[in-house]
Amino acid sequence: DADVTQTPRNRITKTGKRIMLECSQTKGHDRMYWYRQDPGLGLRLIYYSFDVKDINKGEISDGYSVSRQAQAKFSLSLESAIPNQTALYFCAVGGAYGYTFGSGTRLTVV
Amino acid sequence: SQQGEEDPQALSIQEGENATMNCSYKTSINNLQWYRQNSGRGLVHLILIRSNEREKHSGRLRVTLDTSKKSSSLLITASRAADTTSYFCATGSGGSNYKLTFGKGTLLTVNP
Repeated sequence: DADVTQTPRNRITKTGKRIMLECSQTKGHDRMYWYRQDPGLGLRLIYYSFDVKDINKGEISDGYSVSRQAQAKFSLSLESAIPNQTALYFCAVGGAYGYTFGSGTRLTVV
Repeated sequence: SQQGEEDPQALSIQEGENATMNCSYKTSINNLQWYRQNSGRGLVHLILIRSNEREKHSGRLRVTLDTSKKSSSLLITASRAADTTSYFCATGSGGSNYKLTFGKGTLLTVNP
């Protein structure tokens, strides 16, 4: 099994729908992160969590929310999806010595 | 806004040549890391260099860091077609609030 697992791998949803992206890890890290990748813009931090009770906004948190259900699980929600949230979403775990990334969720909002 | 900025945005070379990518950043850092993106999906950690280090090697990779110029370079020697992908620098900062900030990436194409 992968160290960091993201589901779904691909998703097409309609504008206005609520959608949840899930991330689970087997590495035992306390710290988990959600990034989005857009062509030409690199990766931008959406939310991060340093433990179950510690949730922090990143660079681009508007329109997103997160839930840290357990040390191993960190989910990202789009409350009302809009087309400019079409992107590749990554979950990562780790700390100062490097991150391990999931394989990403390619989300398309139509 | 992005902390790191890679240069060039795209680089095309022949197999066997060396590839050099540069990264500039704006604020003080704890360390700087390089990642590659596999199959257009997940990023894979390549190498980390601490702020008090000037050079680091790992296999065909050589990373330099110049904190006075706030810049780093990644050298891939004897490139192979399999090295074709995007490479990202990421600056780590924040102490106990440590997190990585990624640049926009360099797309490397190695032609057979």
